[in-house]
Amino acid sequence: QKEVEQNSGPLSVPEGAIASLNCTYSDRVSQSFFWYRQYSGKSPELIMSIYSNGDKEDGRFTAQLNKASQYVSLLIRDSQPSDSATYLCAVNLAYGQNFVFGPGTRLSVLP
Amino acid sequence: KAGVTQTPRYLIKTRGQQVTLSCSPISGHRSVSWYQQTPGQGLQFLFEYFSETQRNKGNFPGRFSGRQFSNSRSEMNVSTLELGDSALYLCASSLDGSEYYGYTFGSGTRLTVV
Repeated sequence: QKEVEQNSGPLSVPEGAIASLNCTYSDRVSQSFFWYRQYSGKSPELIMSIYSNGDKEDGRFTAQLNKASQYVSLLIRDSQPSDSATYLCAVNLAYGQNFVFGPGTRLSVLP
Repeated sequence: KAGVTQTPRYLIKTRGQQVTLSCSPISGHRSVSWYQQTPGQGLQFLFEYFSETQRNKGNFPGRFSGRQFSNSRSEMNVSTLELGDSALYLCASSLDGSEYYGYTFGSGTRLTVV
């Protein structure tokens, strides 16, 4: 079983809709969870972090974490064409360890 | 505040050669991690350096090595290049590498092995 899994997509949503991106991880002791956005030809950029169960909101972005289900998600409200990118889930599997990235979900927001 | 600087941006090398890539982290950041990104494998962890010491290492052959200097700048070296080493190599800077700080990535070095 892969350590961090994401649907590869592409996930297509119309402009103004909510985009829902999902990530599952294998290790129950994982401490921290991050979402990165990567535009084509660019390097990943950090958009959200979450450490505790529940929701964390930042502007149009909401990260949701459920450690019991080993599941983390990213919701993008009022999706814009500029949100079209690959979204990478990163999980720190244990204290002092490196981050493991999922394969990424490609999101396409259609005008 | 300057970001993470990686040099060079592009490299073309021949099989069997070696290559050295450089990364200057954000000022004050002491942790530097290196990742290889390919379309098929995604982001794969190479190693992390913290205060000049290798703290974590991924599952790459010994041809891949790195080091960190006292000013936190880091280099990675790949010897005896293979075609499969063609990839985007990303350096990631973090304050202390703890699980509570995310990474800031550099622009990457695109390595092509021919």
